[in-house]
Amino acid sequence: GENVEQHPSTLSVQEGDSAVIKCTYSDSASNYFPWYKQELGKGPQLIIDIRSNVGEKKDQRIAVTLNKTAKHFSLHITETQPEDSAVYFCAASRQGKSTFGDGTTLTVKP
Amino acid sequence: NAGVTQTPKFRVLKTGQSMTLLCAQDMNHEYMYWYRQDPGMGLRLIHYSVGEGTTAKGEVPDGYNVSRLKKQNFLLGLESAAPSQTSVYFCASSYRFEFWTPLPNTGELFFGEGSRLTVL
Repeated sequence: GENVEQHPSTLSVQEGDSAVIKCTYSDSASNYFPWYKQELGKGPQLIIDIRSNVGEKKDQRIAVTLNKTAKHFSLHITETQPEDSAVYFCAASRQGKSTFGDGTTLTVKP
Repeated sequence: NAGVTQTPKFRVLKTGQSMTLLCAQDMNHEYMYWYRQDPGMGLRLIHYSVGEGTTAKGEVPDGYNVSRLKKQNFLLGLESAAPSQTSVYFCASSYRFEFWTPLPNTGELFFGEGSRLTVL
């Protein structure tokens, strides 16, 4: 089955700096790669996603890049703010079935 | 529009007891999922359903059963609870994923708020 590895497990940045989280996947048939943000005591929420026919996607301060050849994808958050502090999960999906990474706890220091 | 609702939100069980977690969604989604979340281990898929009357095993199905008798509901059962099943359980739902659809986010999972289960 699919295996997704996510790094780093914890990330601390100063407000205004950029944050980068990286994931690798194993199943070349995976074709959808979402990123979720989970705040304390809540369920994960989608923040951005990318399909395998696209190399990059941007939404304001958030961007995702995908390298299908190397089977890795990354989340980039620019101009971080304290409200960006949360746990972030990447996932690799095939036919509606998603496998998640272990999560990255992002702390943005004011 | 409530989205995905899970009940109960908290439950404490003794080893060997049984219980059922209920998930209800009002978005007319075809797919529904049960995940468990343990510290440092992300979300692991227990069972899922691609439509009313269908179920399939995920990564960690042992010790759990599911049923989807109605499109809007997905039940997760523990027949004989074990301490290893102490976890936070999340239900999610989504539309059927269609890669070439022009609509955005058809692969998006909509999660409930979670159900915290402790087995003593």
